[in-house]
Amino acid sequence: ETGVTQTPRHLVMGMTNKKSLKCEQHLGHNAMYWYKQSAKKPLELMFVYSLEERVENNSVPSRFSPECPNSSHLFLHLHTLQPEDSALYLCASSLGSASTDTQYFGPGTRLTVL
Amino acid sequence: EDQVTQSPEALRLQEGESSSLNCSYTVSGLRGLFWYRQDPGKGPEFLFTLYSAGEEKEKERLKATLTKKESFLHITAPKPEDSATYLCAVANAGNMLTFGGGTRLMVKP
Repeated sequence: ETGVTQTPRHLVMGMTNKKSLKCEQHLGHNAMYWYKQSAKKPLELMFVYSLEERVENNSVPSRFSPECPNSSHLFLHLHTLQPEDSALYLCASSLGSASTDTQYFGPGTRLTVL
Repeated sequence: EDQVTQSPEALRLQEGESSSLNCSYTVSGLRGLFWYRQDPGKGPEFLFTLYSAGEEKEKERLKATLTKKESFLHITAPKPEDSATYLCAVANAGNMLTFGGGTRLMVKP
């Protein structure tokens, strides 16, 4: 596998379920990101990790819980979500965590909350 | 607060009909401007980074330019495979990256 991969690609869950999104990067990067992309809205940054330390948490509700066990893997744990959380969740990685470091994105997970 | 506005929201072109997409920004200390292409159901794909006014970069039928207030993505003789949403993002001196809402480009054969 090359680049940034995400699994699953599609996920449907009820409001009481617990699920996790997985991201893996094969680029040797040190920073990883979670973004939310909703229809008709710009990409919203959720979390930033640099060398496995969280450096940014953009006022995201606690029903979203990130985990970065190493610099190649990033998870987003989901619990008791709301229908308005339905969106495309994108993972990205970059060499460093500076805003000028080019971010490379995965294909995304399309999440539907019923 | 930084702002990035892309226009138009949607653009329909005939194959071969050249045009430009606009990205206007207000930012506290521009450190870089990025262009991405996003196909439906996929993640954004990196195209260009521009760092200072007057800079230009080209890739196949695409050319990106930058001024102190805006960036243009010029598309010369587009083909149907150029159809996608094009995203612009600006990086500021405070290490923040802000994305615009995108321009959805449709090129008809």
